[in-house]
Amino acid sequence: DIQMTQSPSSLSASVGDRVTITCRASQSISSYLNWYQQKPGKAPKFLIYAASSLQSGVPSRFSGSGSGTDFTLTINSLQPEDFATYYCQQSFSIPYTFGQGTKLEIK
Amino acid sequence: QVQMVEFGGGVVQPGRSLRLSCAASGFTFRSFGMHWVRQAPGKGLEWMTLISYDGSNKYYADSVKGRFTISRDNSNNTLYLQINSLRAEDTAVYHCARDRGRALLDYWGRGTLVTVSS
Repeated sequence: DIQMTQSPSSLSASVGDRVTITCRASQSISSYLNWYQQKPGKAPKFLIYAASSLQSGVPSRFSGSGSGTDFTLTINSLQPEDFATYYCQQSFSIPYTFGQGTKLEIK
Repeated sequence: QVQMVEFGGGVVQPGRSLRLSCAASGFTFRSFGMHWVRQAPGKGLEWMTLISYDGSNKYYADSVKGRFTISRDNSNNTLYLQINSLRAEDTAVYHCARDRGRALLDYWGRGTLVTVSS
């Protein structure tokens, strides 16, 4: 199985900040990397696919990059609604593993 | 709009069985693969299983293979998850999710909570 490791596990930031979350795969997954946002008690929301493609309706302050084993999710100019937990997921091979999550909190 | 609603969760004793359902609406259900993903209390997301659009192909995480069975009824737009021999570690919120293609889970339900306890 491919292991996905996110860092940091938690992050404190302020509205207006720029933050970056990292996701590392235990083996190359090309660009088969997706990002999701989840707020407490809610369903996860699909943000980014194929490492860098924004899902329709997702604000342009979200961006993704990377390929192979190292990926990043960047949020520019944080908004109050962005405070949530973020998960990466590899869609290269079954089982479609997720990272452990990064909780983004308000400073 | 696309919507998935899971139901069937509850408190179940260890060793018992449970069937979860996911009612889908707002899209052509029979055209999409579907997944189940679970989330233990306070923990992250764990992929469980995938079924192809027509039900002909099914895939499972090793941790649930042999105990979990995914199925679907395309005539009633419903996805199912049969869980047998429930264990304490199966306690989680179970989400169903639509596969847009290539395991991109583009719409999710809010989930149904399964608590395994004596």
